[in-house]
Amino acid sequence: QKEVEQDPGPLSVPEGAIVSLNCTYSNSAFQYFMWYRQYSRKGPELLMYTYSSGNKEDGRFTAQVDKSSKYISLFIRDSQPSDSATYLCAMSLNFNKFYFGSGTKLNVKP
Amino acid sequence: ETGVTQSPTHLIKTRGQQVTLRCSSQSGHNTVSWYQQALGQGPQFIFQYYREEENGRGNFPPRFSGLQFPNYSSELNVNALELDDSALYLCASSLNGGNSPLHFGNGTRLTVT
Repeated sequence: QKEVEQDPGPLSVPEGAIVSLNCTYSNSAFQYFMWYRQYSRKGPELLMYTYSSGNKEDGRFTAQVDKSSKYISLFIRDSQPSDSATYLCAMSLNFNKFYFGSGTKLNVKP
Repeated sequence: ETGVTQSPTHLIKTRGQQVTLRCSSQSGHNTVSWYQQALGQGPQFIFQYYREEENGRGNFPPRFSGLQFPNYSSELNVNALELDDSALYLCASSLNGGNSPLHFGNGTRLTVT
């Protein structure tokens, strides 16, 4: 069983839609949870970072962590064509080693 | 603020050869981690360097080795290249032994033929 599971998509939505991206994980000891966005031929770019359970909002992005269910989510409001990218979830016990999902490819159609 | 820079951007090598990839960390960051990203997969942890010493290692064989220099820049060396080593190699920097999220460079695309 993989440490982190993520639906690869692709996920195709119209511009302005609310997007929900999700990951599940197996290790209950994970404490730090991150979302990265990766454009084609680029490195991952940090979007959101949360510690332990709860919600965090930053502009159009909201990250949720449910440690009891071992489930994390990223919501994107008012999605734009420029949001089209691969979204990677990542998690860590202590920031020493990060475990990544395989990424969900998102396409926002104008 | 200068971000993470990696060189070269692309590289083609033959099976059995050796390769060295280079990374300059983001200004103010003293910890460097290396990840391997195969096509269609998420990054996989190779190792982390802090204070010029290895500070954690993933499930990669000893032919993957690294260095960190006093200016916090780093090298990844891979010996006896195999076809499966073809991937995007990502360098990421962070603070204080990895006590913060990772900031990635754009990677080196390695192709082994």
